[in-house]
Amino acid sequence: GAVVSQHPSRVICKSGTSVKIECRSLDFQATTMFWYRQFPKKSLMLMATSNEGSKATYEQGVEKDKFLINHASLTLSTLTVTSAHPEDSSFYICSASRETYNEQFFGPGTRLTVL
Amino acid sequence: GESVGLHLPTLSVQEGDNSIINCAYSNSASDYFIWYKQESGKGPQFIIDIRSNMDKRQGQRVTVLLNKTVKHLSLQIAATQPGDSAVYFCAETKAAGNKLTFGGGTRVLVKP
Repeated sequence: GAVVSQHPSRVICKSGTSVKIECRSLDFQATTMFWYRQFPKKSLMLMATSNEGSKATYEQGVEKDKFLINHASLTLSTLTVTSAHPEDSSFYICSASRETYNEQFFGPGTRLTVL
Repeated sequence: GESVGLHLPTLSVQEGDNSIINCAYSNSASDYFIWYKQESGKGPQFIIDIRSNMDKRQGQRVTVLLNKTVKHLSLQIAATQPGDSAVYFCAETKAAGNKLTFGGGTRVLVKP
């Protein structure tokens, strides 16, 4: 149990286009989902926390107009990288947690490459 | 700001030996700690956790030690296997909220 999926696993796009990444909790209801960014050989950096039905809370330095997060249901959150540029190329990872539990269940990640 | 850090970026270990990965944390308010394993191109995988009211917790081939006095966390892997080769991250959080702060990561390389 507690499986989180991400789609797509890899995406290559041209500079200036927008890319949407989906994060789904497959066998549980996730009231909270988290989005992380990871550069090569670096640690995970939290971008934002999203709760179902409310606006996401962004970490300092993360542009909310650049990284649009939607958590429309208890099993789905989406991250849209708008007007992507090469510096947005990274590994994006989501996680989900059940209410009242600390444990986060991580997705497999999405590799974004912006040309 | 406060952060979680690691002493060793890379650890090479002979297959069959024990591995010890260390982590220093600075947020004294953290009361829940987790170790994750991340293989190349994949998301983090939960290994073991420990709450601040404990100083040791054991799992299958893994043991986590918590020393709150010096704000130190360690992960011990017994009889390290080639499949243990990965990057290991410690993470901390508070019980009241579940936002995780990750350490810098340690790469474990298991030599046959």
